[in-house]
Amino acid sequence: DADVTQTPRNRITKTGKRIMLECSQTKGHDRMYWYRQDPGLGLRLIYYSFDVKDINKGEISDGYSVSRQAQAKFSLSLESAIPNQTALYFCATSAPGPLSDEQFFGPGTRLTVL
Amino acid sequence: AQKVTQAQTEISVVEKEDVTLDCVYETRDTTYYLFWYKQPPSGELVFLIRRNSFDEQNEISGRYSWNFQKSTSSFNFTITASQVVDSAVYFCALSENNAGNMLTFGGGTRLMVKP
Repeated sequence: DADVTQTPRNRITKTGKRIMLECSQTKGHDRMYWYRQDPGLGLRLIYYSFDVKDINKGEISDGYSVSRQAQAKFSLSLESAIPNQTALYFCATSAPGPLSDEQFFGPGTRLTVL
Repeated sequence: AQKVTQAQTEISVVEKEDVTLDCVYETRDTTYYLFWYKQPPSGELVFLIRRNSFDEQNEISGRYSWNFQKSTSSFNFTITASQVVDSAVYFCALSENNAGNMLTFGGGTRLMVKP
């Protein structure tokens, strides 16, 4: 089984709808992240969480909110989706430590907002 | 602020050619990590390598090799004898020790290897 899972994998929705993307991990990591990928821009950080009680905005948090329901679950919400939120969304996890370690990515959620 | 630049947005080569993907980074931190990820057409991100700022040794893994040069703030990736299966988007990324493992990605380089 995959260590980091994302649901749904694909979603098409309409402008103004509320959407939730879910991320679960079995790696036991404290740190979780949400990124979006747009062509030519790489991945950009939306929100990150270092533990259940710690939520932080990333580079492009406007229009998004998150919820860290448990160590293993980190959800991203679009309260009122708009077309320019059409993108590929990735969840990632990492373990804290004295030196940075790699992030482990989920398979991605492709979101289309019409 | 940290920044990663991949100046080559798209590269096209013929199978068996060698190809180098450039990555230039900016950071004020003395302790940092550099990464390369591969994104095949299926969309997932595949981890290729992690290099910390204290280790400037070049690394070779099969047909892949990486050249880390702190003097030029570059971490270039070379594929030797490219194959069609190497066709993908490749991302270079930077993580600063003081930034909580958060990754800053370059814009990616799309590599197309033609038969």
